[in-house]
Amino acid sequence: KAGVTQTPRYLIKTRGQQVTLSCSPISGHRSVSWYQQTPGQGLQFLFEYFSETQRNKGNFPGRFSGRQFSNSRSEMNVSTLELGDSALYLCASSLSQATDTQYFGPGTRLTVL
Amino acid sequence: GENVEQHPSTLSVQEGDSAVIKCTYSDSASNYFPWYKQELGKRPQLIIDIRSNVGEKKDQRIAVTLNKTAKHFSLHITETQPEDSAVYFCAAPTRNDYKLSFGAGTTVTVRA
Repeated sequence: KAGVTQTPRYLIKTRGQQVTLSCSPISGHRSVSWYQQTPGQGLQFLFEYFSETQRNKGNFPGRFSGRQFSNSRSEMNVSTLELGDSALYLCASSLSQATDTQYFGPGTRLTVL
Repeated sequence: GENVEQHPSTLSVQEGDSAVIKCTYSDSASNYFPWYKQELGKRPQLIIDIRSNVGEKKDQRIAVTLNKTAKHFSLHITETQPEDSAVYFCAAPTRNDYKLSFGAGTTVTVRA
């Protein structure tokens, strides 16, 4: 079974631009969670989607948004990029609940200049 | 994470010694406690997990213990090897089970 994939793997943007990241979950997994990882900050929860619905959202500004498609693929968008948005963005998929094992993708490394 | 505290933040051990990482959680309804290992430049990978109906679980050199009364759980690595060097994260779900809260991570360095 193929693992979680994320595209692109690397992105360089400038302040004020917007960016869209994509995550394809493991086949059969319907829950997709997104995390921001920065040095010293661990894994900060962004949001979680299940059956095209956002079920939970972390403490991030409205510039961070996401969506999920009927095939469970998910995208996250960051508008009006700031320098502080530079981070590794990880998605993880699971069958349906946070108590199901979460499998992480390789991440997208975003650099904002 | 807002609901999970992890200690220590860094841990250096001699090869062959044991390493212990502890986490505390706040939501008494939490019933699932995974541990992830993240090697440099790689994705976090699940190494072991425990559910609230058991107090201990072992898998070769790693074990996890759970104390639901005190709301803490620990990762134990015995006979540490250089390949155990990584960042380890604990996690626990929130009440609605739609979100995993992660600890801040422990950087483990195994000295040869």
